[in-house]
Amino acid sequence: RKEVEQDPGPFNVPEGATVAFNCTYSNSASQSFFWYRQDCRKEPKLLMSVYSSGNEDGRFTAQLNRASQYISLLIRDSKLSDSATYLCVVNPGSGGYQKVTFGTGTKLQVIP
Amino acid sequence: GAVVSQHPSRVICKSGTSVKIECRSLDFQATTMFWYRQFPKQSLMLMATSNEGSKATYEQGVEKDKFLINHASLTLSTLTVTSAHPEDSSFYICSAREGRVHYGYTFGSGTRLTVV
Repeated sequence: RKEVEQDPGPFNVPEGATVAFNCTYSNSASQSFFWYRQDCRKEPKLLMSVYSSGNEDGRFTAQLNRASQYISLLIRDSKLSDSATYLCVVNPGSGGYQKVTFGTGTKLQVIP
Repeated sequence: GAVVSQHPSRVICKSGTSVKIECRSLDFQATTMFWYRQFPKQSLMLMATSNEGSKATYEQGVEKDKFLINHASLTLSTLTVTSAHPEDSSFYICSAREGRVHYGYTFGSGTRLTVV
């Protein structure tokens, strides 16, 4: 089983739709989780950290399910500008500078 | 927020030559930086972990003599691709984390290397 798995997509959704991605991880001891956004031929940029209690930032909501070992990202009212690849990142360690693992990314295409 | 500067953004070099890529943390100190490589339509793959003042830790399958990493200060790490070959053509990205775990990792803008 891969350390971090994501559905590569692409997810093609109309503007205004709600879309959700999941990411599963294999290391039950993983400590911190993030969602990154990567535009074509650009560097990844932090979208949001994923807290145990879940967190919301505008149209974006991230959830963590430790029992089932997955994190999710929900995007409401999709915009054309949301089109990108969304990377799930898992940090196995607590504190310090630990080696993180990236998912392969889920490609989202929002269509007019 | 934390800023990581990476240069050059794009480089074309001839086979057999060496290329140096710099990664700087501009407003914070980074005792550890990470170097990644990304081939088209593939995920980021960690190449090595750069540690200030000590040797880098390379991932399995990454040749340490080919990809030289130097982390001489708390704000600068360099990756030198030695004796470059066309198969080394890729997108190289560095990253660092400012401090608290929930800040995530900040990435440099990446270097697109083309070896001809």
